[in-house]
Amino acid sequence: EAGVTQSPTHLIKTRGQQATLRCSPISGHTSVYWYQQALGLGLQFLLWYDEGEERNRGNFPPRFSGRQFPNYSSELNVNALELEDSALYLCASSLAVRTSGRRDTQYFGPGTRLTVL
Amino acid sequence: LAKTTQPISMDSYEGQEVNITCSHNNIATNDYITWYQQFPSQGPRFIIQGYKTKVTNEVASLFIPADRKSSTLSLPRVSLSDTAVYYCLVGVFSSNTGKLIFGQGTTLQVKP
Repeated sequence: EAGVTQSPTHLIKTRGQQATLRCSPISGHTSVYWYQQALGLGLQFLLWYDEGEERNRGNFPPRFSGRQFPNYSSELNVNALELEDSALYLCASSLAVRTSGRRDTQYFGPGTRLTVL
Repeated sequence: LAKTTQPISMDSYEGQEVNITCSHNNIATNDYITWYQQFPSQGPRFIIQGYKTKVTNEVASLFIPADRKSSTLSLPRVSLSDTAVYYCLVGVFSSNTGKLIFGQGTTLQVKP
């Protein structure tokens, strides 16, 4: 079974540009989560999408946004890039909240390394 | 989500068994305990999850005492490739947050 996939692997942008990161969840998973991990730091929760709706967002400015498509894949958009946005962006997926069982098991993708120059 | 405490770092040698203990004194009745492994510049990898007693899979074992206030991840016969950061997470997936809170984890260094 294929795991969570993310593209691109690496992305280099300049300050002020926009970045778009993509994520495909594990087949059958309807919830998608985005996290940011700056170099040497812990994972910070960004966004949670479930069934196409944004369910929660972390403490990040509005220029971080995203969406979830009908096939449950997701995009993370970062507008007006700043140098401090340079980080590893991780996507995770899980079964829907309402599904019984291991509801809190999130499975992560390999990440997209965003570098802002 | 319950707060967790685990050692910042541990050293081991190839072939040894490694036990990493996580304290979670405020664990709630319906909380699960989950462990992840993360290599540099990669996403965390789910290792094991349990609720009580002992859980074993092809990668590790998880020991949870009756009071569930701590848990121990056991890695049998570690190799150099097991050098990574190991995170212990405790909590029920909350329908109104969706987020996992990763602490600083335990950096395991396996030496030859």
